[in-house]
Amino acid sequence: DIQLTQSPSLLSASVGDRITITCRASQGISNYLAWYQQKAGKAPSLLIFAASTLQSGVPSRFSGSGSGTEFTLTISSLQPEDFATYFCQHLKSYPWTFGQGTKVEIK
Amino acid sequence: EVQVLESGGGLVQPGGSLRLSCAASGFPFSSYGMSWVRQAPGKGLEWVSGINGRGNATYYADSVKGRFTISRDNSKNTVYLQMNSLRADDTAVYYCAKQLYRSAIPYGLDVWGQGATVIVSS
Repeated sequence: DIQLTQSPSLLSASVGDRITITCRASQGISNYLAWYQQKAGKAPSLLIFAASTLQSGVPSRFSGSGSGTEFTLTISSLQPEDFATYFCQHLKSYPWTFGQGTKVEIK
Repeated sequence: EVQVLESGGGLVQPGGSLRLSCAASGFPFSSYGMSWVRQAPGKGLEWVSGINGRGNATYYADSVKGRFTISRDNSKNTVYLQMNSLRADDTAVYYCAKQLYRSAIPYGLDVWGQGATVIVSS
């Protein structure tokens, strides 16, 4: 099975900061990677798919990049509503798996 | 409005069974694969199972293989997760999600339900 490792697990940042979260795959997954945001007590929501394509309705301050085994999610200017937990997921082959998550908290 | 709505969660004893349902609306249900994803209390997301649009291909995480069965009834726009031989570590919120496709390839889960809580305890 393909494993995904996110870093960091916890990120403390301030409003307006630029932040980057990394997701590494245990083997090449081309661009079959999605990013999700989850707020406390809510279902996850899709931010980015195919590694770099922004889901409809998602603000342009979110961006994704990478291919193969290393991927990044960047928020260019952190907003109050962005404090949440972020997960990556691969869809290269079954079973699909998620990274362990990155919690973005207020500094 | 595109939406999915889970039901059937509850409290069950270890070794027991439970069936979750997920009713979909607002999209051509039989054209889309569906997945179940769970989240144990205070933990991350775990993809559990998936099924293609026609219902003739199913996929499972190793942790549930042989105990859980995913199925769908396209006439009712509903996907199911039959859970047998339940264990304490199956306790979680179970989400149903619609798969997003580009050129017939799944690239993500773009519509999620609110979740159904399953508690396995004596």
